[in-house]
Amino acid sequence: GESVGLHLPTLSVQEGDNSIINCAYSNSASDYFIWYKQESGKGPQFIIDIRSNMDKRQGQRVTVLLNKTVKHLSLQIAATQPGDSAVYFCAEKGNDYKLSFGAGTTVTVRA
Amino acid sequence: EAGVAQSPRYKIIEKRQSVAFWCNPISGHATLYWYQQILGQGPKLLIQFQNNGVVDDSQLPKDRFSAERLKGVDSTLKIQPAKLEDSAVYLCASRGSGMGYTFGSGTRLTVV
Repeated sequence: GESVGLHLPTLSVQEGDNSIINCAYSNSASDYFIWYKQESGKGPQFIIDIRSNMDKRQGQRVTVLLNKTVKHLSLQIAATQPGDSAVYFCAEKGNDYKLSFGAGTTVTVRA
Repeated sequence: EAGVAQSPRYKIIEKRQSVAFWCNPISGHATLYWYQQILGQGPKLLIQFQNNGVVDDSQLPKDRFSAERLKGVDSTLKIQPAKLEDSAVYLCASRGSGMGYTFGSGTRLTVV
């Protein structure tokens, strides 16, 4: 079965607000995680990654937090924009750089 | 840098027919992956190539699915015969020497 999962399948957020998307993983030996954004009709697009020796990593308007104690990571999007509407996946790197994906969270931004 | 190219974008076939998908990875990327993404789910790995060799095909339903990457560049994924449950988006991804994957836009297969 899948080793990576997301807590909520959908998230509706007001434009300008911050979004938080959560993900739980089961393999405590995982050492690398990636968040992807997938828009309709497109393949997954890299957003941000984090290694297990870090707790937090920031990008442009995005922050990923990793809590290894409870095997949880989250993606925070600041000042959510209409273009952020998409499905977001967390993925976990396994052997030979194979990625295992969770089921995804669909984010809808309300104007 | 050109992205990962896939064709066709869409395909509709009847069950028990055969179908083939094509992928052209980013130039120089040695590793190529095929993923299956069923509607509402995350992508699931089918097969991984390193150059023209198979690294992992443990999740590939070999009774009906086959894939090749003969010259270590382009790859084809074939389904024969197709079943209704094969309806999905088939994603190709490639990776160079680093961690970064680049995905193509996928082929959406509908089996009726």
